[in-house]
Amino acid sequence: AQTVTQSQPEMSVQEAETVTLSCTYDTSESNYYLFWYKQPPSRQMILVIRQEAYKQQNATENRFSVNFQKAAKSFSLKISDSQLGDTAMYFCAFYPSGTYKYIFGTGTRLKVLA
Amino acid sequence: EAGVVQSPRYKIIEKKQPVAFWCNPISGHNTLYWYRQNLGQGPELLIRYENEEAVDDSQLPKDRFSAERLKGVDSTLKIQPAELGDSAVYLCASSLGLAGVSDTQYFGPGTRLTVL
Repeated sequence: AQTVTQSQPEMSVQEAETVTLSCTYDTSESNYYLFWYKQPPSRQMILVIRQEAYKQQNATENRFSVNFQKAAKSFSLKISDSQLGDTAMYFCAFYPSGTYKYIFGTGTRLKVLA
Repeated sequence: EAGVVQSPRYKIIEKKQPVAFWCNPISGHNTLYWYRQNLGQGPELLIRYENEEAVDDSQLPKDRFSAERLKGVDSTLKIQPAELGDSAVYLCASSLGLAGVSDTQYFGPGTRLTVL
């Protein structure tokens, strides 16, 4: 079975600091995609960043970057210069190519402190 | 570009009552998804539509849940009768429906259902 594990239920970080959220997954697939979604209290799931498994280069979107280690099946999210608006639940999602089925982790609640 | 629209945002009902949720996907998105998100958990897929066809409803509890997407655009998810365990957030998502490649899903704000 394919699973996604987020081992940090809660984290906090001071404003302007850097924080890393961890995600590991288990699969025998070779072709897949990985996503980080952010869910603020408004409940809207917002796409943060996406990584194609066939790409060795780590994805980056402004202050958000990933550390993708395919052999270790690890996909961590780094948030630089944390802002109060980054406070949210963060979900890691695994997507085997062509299945249309996202498998989500249980989430990490991140709180950015002023 | 308008995002995925869902209504209502909140719904409180007594058990055994019926309830319905509505979703309007992003214009041009052929694939529509309904998810259920229990407290403290990630979303779990209930049903996926490609245009008006339900192509994956394996996780939908068909004894009490039903869904439709009659014209291949907006969709309704219904529960009848509701049970206490149905309390959750119901999320709708849509995507372009690109076969064989990553198809990024965009989510609506969800409906928080409370069954008393």
